[in-house]
Amino acid sequence: AQSVAQPEDQVNVAEGNPLTVKCTYSVSGNPYLFWYVQYPNRGLQFLLKYITGDNLVKGSYGFEAEFNKSQTSFHLKKPSALVSDSALYFCAVRARGGGFKTIFGAGTRLFVKA
Amino acid sequence: SAVISQKPSRDICQRGTSLTIQCQVDSQVTMMFWYRQQPGQSLTLIATANQGSEATYESGFVIDKFPISRPNLTFSTLTVSNMSPEDSSIYLCSVEPQGAWGYTFGSGTRLTVV
Repeated sequence: AQSVAQPEDQVNVAEGNPLTVKCTYSVSGNPYLFWYVQYPNRGLQFLLKYITGDNLVKGSYGFEAEFNKSQTSFHLKKPSALVSDSALYFCAVRARGGGFKTIFGAGTRLFVKA
Repeated sequence: SAVISQKPSRDICQRGTSLTIQCQVDSQVTMMFWYRQQPGQSLTLIATANQGSEATYESGFVIDKFPISRPNLTFSTLTVSNMSPEDSSIYLCSVEPQGAWGYTFGSGTRLTVV
């Protein structure tokens, strides 16, 4: 069975500092991996994806994520955090050949302090 | 990307009653997905709705409790039947537009059962 783990319930970072939100996964074969963001009182938004190719993928709002097959991780990163990045972030995984069913992690709340 | 109109945005319902949630997509999509996000928790897939066939339900969810309609390629409804306070959640519909990777979500329906 596929699963996603986000080991941190909350991440705190100062504005201007780099941020990392961690994600590990368990799935048979090579996965499709996603990050979504949920801003306060707003809907869920797609942030970025890894399908194939370059392990470092770039997404919206300056975010990027690195696929590490050996560590089964897909950590979300941003070189310089903004207060407006404060939100709830979800990592998600989909098994290749498993249709469109996507499993979401528990979410990590990011607080960026000015 | 697709735009989804989901309604109602919120409702407060009496236990034992039913609520029907509607999702309208601005483009044709093969599959629509219904998720539940309980307070402070991640998203759990309820069912996948294909046009012209019965929805496929995930473990723990049954058609009698969460009947789904999918009359055409742009519209779906989810009914929460015989509600109890445990059904209080945010319900989300999502689609993956043709040729895209990653879900587009509706704005969600915040349901409170009293």
